[in-house]
This record gives sequence, structure tokens and C-alpha cells, in this order.
Amino acid sequence: IAGITQAPTSQILAAGRRMTLRCTQDMRHNAMYWYRQDLGLGLRLIHYSNTAGTTGKGEVPDGYSVSRANTDDFPLTLASAVPSQTSVYFCASSPTGGAGANVLTFGAGSRLTVL
Amino acid sequence: GQNIDQPTEMTATEGAIVQINCTYQTSGFNGLFWYQQHAGEAPTFLSYNVLDGLEEKGRFSSFLSRSKGYSYLLLKELQMKDSASYLCAVRDSNYQLIWGAGTKLIIKP
Repeated sequence: IAGITQAPTSQILAAGRRMTLRCTQDMRHNAMYWYRQDLGLGLRLIHYSNTAGTTGKGEVPDGYSVSRANTDDFPLTLASAVPSQTSVYFCASSPTGGAGANVLTFGAGSRLTVL
Repeated sequence: GQNIDQPTEMTATEGAIVQINCTYQTSGFNGLFWYQQHAGEAPTFLSYNVLDGLEEKGRFSSFLSRSKGYSYLLLKELQMKDSASYLCAVRDSNYQLIWGAGTKLIIKP
């Protein structure tokens, strides 16, 4: 089934630890995104990539880094986790042209708790 | 700044009709999206409007007025499975999506 796979589904992490959230898509979408979703707030863009080899900063990039070595994979790394990074993280992808541009397909989410 | 406003929560009865409003103030406009998100799940795409008017898709319709910075999502013949959050998002002049906080819709029998 075509779509986006995120891992882990859920993780509890000690503050100061390094953590990588994995995201893989099999739809050959050029654009990929990482969002965080917190209660009472809209989805907030952390980082994005319009094509393999390029990345850009979103609305809330501090404390996070990404890489896009190929079309399919877009991992998100927290170099030194802090409690304010407790959130649900969604990876998404979309085509970059035509009628489907910005129609996002989301992964199931990764629930991260930083203690 | 950029802002998307939606009601936090709405309640409706099974079989009825409900309208969820979204107003926006963004730097530029290149389309408005509605997504549905069931509790604990990922958002899924519902509709897209870029021109003024009504787009109908089965029981769901979405309306846009660009001059008023306003959209609504209309859900007809409500079913219990329609209980979810509905997210409004606007694509701005930089082709970035600006998201509202979502409207939690509760359907009662």
C-alpha cells in the first residue's frame, strides 16, 4: 500500500538525549515535510524539502535538523531533546506540480515525550 | 502576521447538517485546503478551493470567498464517523501552508 511510514510510533526520551524520527514514502513525491502538532495549536512546520538534496526551515526549526539524501527518506533529528519538544510529529509528502501540489499525504505520526 | 481562525469545537446531531467556518489573513493566497483528522490519526485531505464558489464532493462541500477571506466546510447527512477535527489551511504567496488549530466536531445520536 502506497504511503508514508513513520518510526517509532511512540517514544519516551530523557532530556538531553539524541533522537531520530524516521520517515519513508513510496509515492515518489518530490516534497516532504515535518510538522509538530500540539493541543490547541495548528500544525507547525519544522523543516521541509522540495526535492532530494535540498532542505529548508519552517516556522519552528530550532533544535531540529533534517536531511534528504534521496527521494524516499526524510529523517528528523533532535540533537539534544528538551521537554518543550514533547509533541506528536507528523511527516508528510506531496507532489510539487500540477493539481496535486500541496495536497499532503501524512504518516501516522510519532508521539514523543521528553522527560 | 498570518492567521487562520476556526471555532474550537462544534456539536451536531446525526443526520443533520453542520457548517464549519474558517477565516484567514495571510500574505497572499494560493488556495485553501480542508483536512479531516480523527482522534489519534493523521490528517487526510478533504477538499481544495482556489476560486470563489462552492465545490461539492458527496456529502461534503467547501465554499470560498477570497474577497472576504472566508471559507466554510458543509457536512450533510451527518454520520457518527464524521466525529473528527477539521483543519483549514491556506497556501500563502510563498506556497507554504498556514494551518488553523482545527475544529473538533462532536456528533450526537
